[in-house]
Amino acid sequence: DAGVIQSPRHEVTEMGQEVTLRCKPISGHDYLFWYRQTMMRGLELLIYFNNNVPIDDSGMPEDRFSAKMPNASFSTLKIQPSEPRDSAVYFCASSPSGRSYEQYFGPGTRLTVT
Amino acid sequence: KNQVEQSPQSLIILEGKNCTLQCNYTVSPFSNLRWYKQDTGRGPVSLTIMTFSENTKSNGRYTATLDADTKQSSLHITASQLSDSASYICVVQYQAGTALIFGKGTTLSVSS
Repeated sequence: DAGVIQSPRHEVTEMGQEVTLRCKPISGHDYLFWYRQTMMRGLELLIYFNNNVPIDDSGMPEDRFSAKMPNASFSTLKIQPSEPRDSAVYFCASSPSGRSYEQYFGPGTRLTVT
Repeated sequence: KNQVEQSPQSLIILEGKNCTLQCNYTVSPFSNLRWYKQDTGRGPVSLTIMTFSENTKSNGRYTATLDADTKQSSLHITASQLSDSASYICVVQYQAGTALIFGKGTTLSVSS
């Protein structure tokens, strides 16, 4: 298995632009997590899905952030409009049924908003 | 407030030496605690996971300990190698839930 796949690996955009981050979880995993990592705050859980349904989005910072999972093999995290404080590394992770603690992380997307 | 505190923030050791990283948590109720290794530019990779009933877990040269009474965990690295240079993150999971509380990590640098 290729593991969790994220794209793009790096994204540089200007303030106010829309940004879409993509994730393909490991096949057969039914949990999917989106995290954000910064030097100041470390890793933070933004939202997670179980069987394509959002379960907990309490970590989503504000309405500018939205996440979707239209099917079991694809998820997006969208920021609109983006702001410089959104600059961070965004990780996607997936885990198998019944073992949500066993999370496999993707390589991350480094987002820079200028 | 549920928190995970790690110490030291950073550490430099010589290749071949041992080291111990600390993790204190206030998460309650507690389900499990895990240690992740994160290489620069990569996602975290799980090293060990322990439930409240376990007090030690090994993975090669990595040994994690847990004292659920004092809410402390440590990660001991034996005979360090250059490839051990990374950030080590302690993560605690709520009982009966999926939410994870992350520490900010300890950055370990192993030099030759």
